[in-house]
Amino acid sequence: AAGVIQSPRHLIKEKRETATLKCYPIPRHDTVYWYQQGPGQDPQFLISFYEKMQSDKGSIPDRFSAQQFSDYHSELNMSSLELGDSALYFCASSLRRGRDSGNTIYFGEGSWLTVV
Amino acid sequence: GENVEQHPSTLSVQEGDSAVIKCTYSDSASNYFPWYKQELGKRPQLIIDIRSNVGEKKDQRIAVTLNKTAKHFSLHITETQPEDSAVYFCAASTPLASGTYKYIFGTGTRLKVLA
Repeated sequence: AAGVIQSPRHLIKEKRETATLKCYPIPRHDTVYWYQQGPGQDPQFLISFYEKMQSDKGSIPDRFSAQQFSDYHSELNMSSLELGDSALYFCASSLRRGRDSGNTIYFGEGSWLTVV
Repeated sequence: GENVEQHPSTLSVQEGDSAVIKCTYSDSASNYFPWYKQELGKRPQLIIDIRSNVGEKKDQRIAVTLNKTAKHFSLHITETQPEDSAVYFCAASTPLASGTYKYIFGTGTRLKVLA
């Protein structure tokens, strides 16, 4: 079965540079979530999109922005990179269901960002 | 704000013994509780989940229980095997006005199964 696809898998950037991560959700999934996971940390929610509109916002720095496109893929843009931005960035996708159904989110393999 | 507390942070058990990981959530509107297993450098993978209208769910060696009144839910792994060694995350999902869901993760439990 098709999974969430993230690219690139590994990225090395210098301080103050810009990076863009891409996420292609599972086919027919309409919701995308972005998480940041530092070493030994739990995944920290950054932002989510439903039907190309931002649906929720977490601890995303102002230096970061994201959007979801008409084909449901999403991009996370990170500018003025800092050493502390080095982390594993996960994208997850889900299919919106009724309020009482809950919905399962499925994670991509992640993109390793190293800022040097 | 909403949070999910998870205990213990580390857990070592002998192969064949049981392991129990506990989580507590704060938002009474949370209605879906998945558990994820994450191996080093890999993505979190769903292993079991439970919805708020169910008190217990079992899948082979893995079971999850939910106490809505106390806002507690727990993961039980029986007959542990070395390949169960990983970090386990609980999560609480809450419906949003937009129709989507907010997921809050616990801080993780590093399980080590000793052969």
